[in-house]
Amino acid sequence: DIQMTQSPSTLSASVGDRVTITCRASQSISTYLAWYQQKPGKAPKLLIYKASSLESGVPSRFSGSGSGTEFTLTISSLQPDDFATYYCQQYNSYSPTFGPGTKVDIK
Amino acid sequence: EVQLLESGGGLVQPGGSLRLSCAASGFTFTTYAMTWVRQAPRKGLEWVSAISGVGDFTYYADSVKGRFTISRDNSKNTLYLQMNSLRAEDTAVYYCAKYGSSWLIASWGQGTLVTVSS
Repeated sequence: DIQMTQSPSTLSASVGDRVTITCRASQSISTYLAWYQQKPGKAPKLLIYKASSLESGVPSRFSGSGSGTEFTLTISSLQPDDFATYYCQQYNSYSPTFGPGTKVDIK
Repeated sequence: EVQLLESGGGLVQPGGSLRLSCAASGFTFTTYAMTWVRQAPRKGLEWVSAISGVGDFTYYADSVKGRFTISRDNSKNTLYLQMNSLRAEDTAVYYCAKYGSSWLIASWGQGTLVTVSS
């Protein structure tokens, strides 16, 4: 199975900050990488797919990059609605695996 | 608009059974593979099972293989998860989800809570 790691596990930031989250895969997944945002009590929401493609309706302050085994999610200017937990996920096969999550909270 | 509505969760004793349902609307159900993903309390996301569009292929995580069965009724636009021999570690919110292109999980239901406890 492909293992996913994320760093940091928690990130404290202020509104307006630029935020970067890193995700690593245990083997190459090309660009089969998605990012989700999850708020307490809610289902995950797709933000980015194919490593860098923005899902329809997602604000342009979110961007993704990377290929192979290393990926990043960047929020260019953190907004109050962005405080949440973010998960990366590889979908190179029918059995997707998720990173452990990065919680972005208020500094 | 894609809508996925789970039902069937609840409290069950260890060793018991439960069947989850997911009513789908807003897309051509038979065209898409479907999946179940769970999230234990205050934990991350874990893929559980998947099924092809016509139901001829099924896939399971090792943690549920032999205990859970995924199925679908395309005439009713409904996905199911039969869960047997339930354990405390199966306690989680279970999300029904729709695959998009390749194996990307594109849409999620709101989830249903399963609690396994005596």
